[in-house]
Formats: sequence, C-alpha cells, structure tokens
Amino acid sequence: GQQVMQIPQYQHVQEGEDFTTYCNSSTTLSNIQWYKQRPGGHPVFLIQLVKSGEVKKQKRLTFQFGEAKKNSSLHITATQTTDVGTYFCARRGMNRDDKIIFGKGTRLHILP
Amino acid sequence: NAGVTQTPKFRVLKTGQSMTLLCAQDMNHEYMYWYRQDPGMGLRLIHYSVGEGTTAKGEVPDGYNVSRLKKQNFLLGLESAAPSQTSVYFCASTPGGGTEAFFGQGTRLTVV
Repeated sequence: GQQVMQIPQYQHVQEGEDFTTYCNSSTTLSNIQWYKQRPGGHPVFLIQLVKSGEVKKQKRLTFQFGEAKKNSSLHITATQTTDVGTYFCARRGMNRDDKIIFGKGTRLHILP
Repeated sequence: NAGVTQTPKFRVLKTGQSMTLLCAQDMNHEYMYWYRQDPGMGLRLIHYSVGEGTTAKGEVPDGYNVSRLKKQNFLLGLESAAPSQTSVYFCASTPGGGTEAFFGQGTRLTVV
C-alpha cells in the first residue's frame, strides 16, 4: 500500500544520450521526493514535487509529477559521466507520524 | 556544521554478537530514521523517530531496537547479530513533515 515502484532497475546509456526513470504508486501521493546516490556515497536530496502536474527543472534534469499524483519521472538530457549513480524516488506524508519510503532505485551507468 | 554523523563507519561482527550504531545530528531536527541498503533492494526503513523519546517501526524492524533519549541522537541496536543483517546502514534526519532528508555517510556492517 505504501510502496513506490521504480523502473527500470538498471539503465546503461551512451554518454550524451537521454535517460528517464519512472516512479509509480497505487495510491495518491501527497508529495514525491527524488534523491541521487553516487557510487560509494550516501543519498542526496534533489527535489520535492507537491502539486498535481508539477514540472521542475534543474539544469539538465527535469522532474514531473503526474496529474493524478500517482506517478513521477526524472529525465536527464544529454547525460554526462557525472550523472552516474542511483536515483531514488521517495514518498512521504505531511502527517506527524509519516515515514519516508523509498523506491528501489534506478542505477544509471554511462558508457563513454 | 557536521550535519548527520554515523559511528562507526565499518564493523565486522561475529554471529550472535551485539552492537550499537550511533547517529548524531547537529541541525536540531525532529525526525530521525534508520535505513538499511542491500543490492537491488533500495533503502528500507528499519525504525524511525518523530521526536525525542519516541520511536516507531518501519518496514523491516525485526532484529533491531532503537532509542532516542536525546533529540540529537538516534541509536540502532543489534542484540544478536545474524549474517542476514550484513548491510550498509544509513541514518537520516529531517526538520519535520514534508521536508528533505539529510543522510549520514553510512555504516558498512558485516556479520560473519
């Protein structure tokens, strides 16, 4: 009930190609967060989406929140070697006792 | 400003031994979390706390105990370590509901 499903689990792209990872939930989300974890590192917060249909950009990264607030995507344009890592989406509620539940992540590997 | 600090960074335990992982944050955050990360499984929530003196179970709490006697510290205990608890453990904290999580550097635990 509280899980968020991420696809794909792994993605290999040629440097310069685009990359997209998807996050899906069976229930309506109050918000969705995205994190990046470099190999050997810890997760680092990228962004939070709250509004239905919201689109936010950070340089080459575009984040979308679905109209029904049940799915989200992260798109990277023209990947670079610095984009290597695992990208996680996470759901959390606004209530006091709500947890932060992470998807299993999409591991991005860049081929030079 | 150290952020979130985990102690120790590495540890090898024998089956049946006990140990405590310490998480300390200096950002006066209310919420603290313990996750474990295993290949292909993403980040799974073990236990969390929404304030000093409170704890709650996450997705995979069995075999672990926690305590939050002081607001800045969140301890994760393994009473009788098992090989299945070999993992990388991450602690995180947030100011409150609906906000980003800040992660520690992780503790790599091996149980032999």
